Amino acid sequence: KAGVTQTPRYLIKTRGQQVTLSCSPISGHRSVSWYQQTPGQGLQFLFEYFSETQRNKGNFPGRFSGRQFSNSRSEMNVSTLELGDSALYLCASSFGGGPYEQYFGPGTRLTVT
Amino acid sequence: GIQVEQSPPDLILQEGANSTLRCNFSDSVNNLQWFHQNPWGQLINLFYIPSGTKQNGRLSATTVATERYSLLYISSSQTTDSGVYFCAVVTNQAGTALIFGKGTTLSVSS
Repeated sequence: KAGVTQTPRYLIKTRGQQVTLSCSPISGHRSVSWYQQTPGQGLQFLFEYFSETQRNKGNFPGRFSGRQFSNSRSEMNVSTLELGDSALYLCASSFGGGPYEQYFGPGTRLTVT
Repeated sequence: GIQVEQSPPDLILQEGANSTLRCNFSDSVNNLQWFHQNPWGQLINLFYIPSGTKQNGRLSATTVATERYSLLYISSSQTTDSGVYFCAVVTNQAGTALIFGKGTTLSVSS
């Protein structure tokens, strides 16, 4: 069974631009969660989508948003990029509906200049 | 919110040595996972262990939920074991969000 895939793997953007990252979960998984990893703050939860609905949200500004499609694929968008948004963005998938084991993709490394 | 503390923060070993990594958490949890982050950043699942003991080759883990801690044992360490090990938990209050510790950085030299 294929694992979680994320595209693109690397991205360089300029401050003020916006960016969209994509995540395809493991087949049969209906929950997708997004996490941000930075050297200063570590791994932090952004939001979770289940059956196309945002079910849980972390403590991030409204510039961070996401959505989930009917095939469970998910995208996250960051508008008006700031230098501090430079990070590794990881997505995780699980069956959903409870505290099931989560499986992570390889991540997208975003650099904002 | 829940606090997840990992110790030690850094660990340096010779190949063949054994080690124990600890994860303490401040509230009851519904899920606990151990991960190994490889040099490219991907989190590799090691154990899903909200309670009890599991073993997988040279690695084993024990979670004592009533005392709010989990241990990851690495035996006969190899250079490929190097990297950062994270403990992450899910609580009732956080829904399904994984709350991560700061990690233990393990360096194994030959």
